[in-house]
Amino acid sequence: AQSVTQLDSHVSVSEGTPVLLRCNYSSSYSPSLFWYVQHPNKGLQLLLKYTSAATLVKGINGFEAEFKKSETSFHLTKPSAHMSDAAEYFCVVSDRVNDMRFGAGTRLTVKP
Amino acid sequence: DGGITQSPKYLFRKEGQNVTLSCEQNLNHDAMYWYRQDPGQGLRLIYYSQIVNDFQKGDIAEGYSVSREKKESFPLTVTSAQKNPTAFYLCASSKGLAVSYNEQFFGPGTRLTVL
Repeated sequence: AQSVTQLDSHVSVSEGTPVLLRCNYSSSYSPSLFWYVQHPNKGLQLLLKYTSAATLVKGINGFEAEFKKSETSFHLTKPSAHMSDAAEYFCVVSDRVNDMRFGAGTRLTVKP
Repeated sequence: DGGITQSPKYLFRKEGQNVTLSCEQNLNHDAMYWYRQDPGQGLRLIYYSQIVNDFQKGDIAEGYSVSREKKESFPLTVTSAQKNPTAFYLCASSKGLAVSYNEQFFGPGTRLTVL
């Protein structure tokens, strides 16, 4: 069985400071991992995905994530937060065809 | 513009009524999905369809029904049997069913409120 845990339900940072959103996963197989972003009352947009290639994955809007198998983690980072980054972020794991498991989400607040 | 549209954006329903949520895509994608989102929870899969005239139950299909008569359309009906239907509903599509390799594109969502 696969599952994903987002360790923080809410993260607050100041504009211009680094962002770290934490995600741990559990999977019986070699998983694919994703980060999605959702702005209020909107659909989800893919930020980045890991599918067994390079362990450091670069996504859109300056975000990146590192797959660490030994720690079963896939944390999302960004060097410098912008106000427009304020949104809900979802970590997702998939180790079988058409079986994606979503984390509960982390709400990112960016203070001016 | 290519994309996924969902209508209406907000929907109100009285208890005991069935209601149908629309989802249309012009991306020429074979696979389509319906998810439910509740506050503080991730998305949960209701139904998915790999091809026209075929669909499969997801994790929380009870109280819901779907049809896939056209490749572009995958409407979701929330029936009176769904005990707690108030939620945000998201439709998605992907080129193929293998989600690990095919990015899912999401619509803007429909917020359903039962009065």
